Amino acid sequence: GENVEQHPSTLSVQEGDSAVIKCTYSDSASNYFPWYKQELGKRPQLIIDIRSNVGEKKDQRIAVTLNKTAKHFSLHITETQPEDSAVYFCAASTNAGGTSYGKLTFGQGTILTVHP
Amino acid sequence: NAGVTQTPKFRVLKTGQSMTLLCAQDMNHEYMYWYRQDPGMGLRLIHYSVGEGTTAKGEVPDGYNVSRLKKQNFLLGLESAAPSQTSVYFCASSYLIQGKGKNIQYFGAGTRLSVL
Repeated sequence: GENVEQHPSTLSVQEGDSAVIKCTYSDSASNYFPWYKQELGKRPQLIIDIRSNVGEKKDQRIAVTLNKTAKHFSLHITETQPEDSAVYFCAASTNAGGTSYGKLTFGQGTILTVHP
Repeated sequence: NAGVTQTPKFRVLKTGQSMTLLCAQDMNHEYMYWYRQDPGMGLRLIHYSVGEGTTAKGEVPDGYNVSRLKKQNFLLGLESAAPSQTSVYFCASSYLIQGKGKNIQYFGAGTRLSVL
C-alpha cells in the first residue's frame, strides 16, 4: 500500500518568514495530494490540494509543488503569521479506476510554530 | 447544515468495557471513514465505508468493528477496550468529484477516548 513520509516533524519560524514542509510518497499511482491544517484541539481542515497533472498551485500565501518523477510534494507558506501555528498533514490518494474509494494515506504531521 | 457530528466528545473506559462511537453527516456523502490520531503518527485509517450497508478494513482495523445501516451514520465499536486504544478518534465523510479526481474529506470534531 501507499506510504507517506513527512518532514520535518516540528518547525519553528519567526513571523514573516517562509515555512516549507516536505512529503514523499511510495505509490506511483497516487494522483491526488491534499494538505490539511489542524489547529490545537480542532478538526483537520483542507487548506490546499493538487492533482498529479499539475506541478504547482497557489492560494494567497500558501502554495503546493509536486514532483511526480521524484515522488515528492511540498507545502510552502510565505509571510507566516502567528495564526498559521498548527499541525499540518500531507496526504496521498489513488483515484484511478475508482477502486480506492477516496482513501487518503496521511503523513505523520508537522507542528508549525510561528513566533511573533 | 451541521456537517459531520461525532458523539460523544470524551469518554473514559476501563479495560474490557465496550462502547460505540457515533458519526453522523448531513451532506449526503457516499463515503465515510474512521481514523485514530496518535502523537507523531498522523491519522491512521481504521475502517471505511463506500455506501450504505458496506464496510471495509483500513490500515489498523484490529479491535474495532463498524456498521453503516443508514447512509448518514457510521458507527465505530470497541468490543473489549484495551489501553492501546487510548487515542483521539476522527470520523470523516467525503464525495469524489468526478472528472477531477479529487476527494475532499470533511472531519468531525473528534472523540477523545481514554482506556484505563
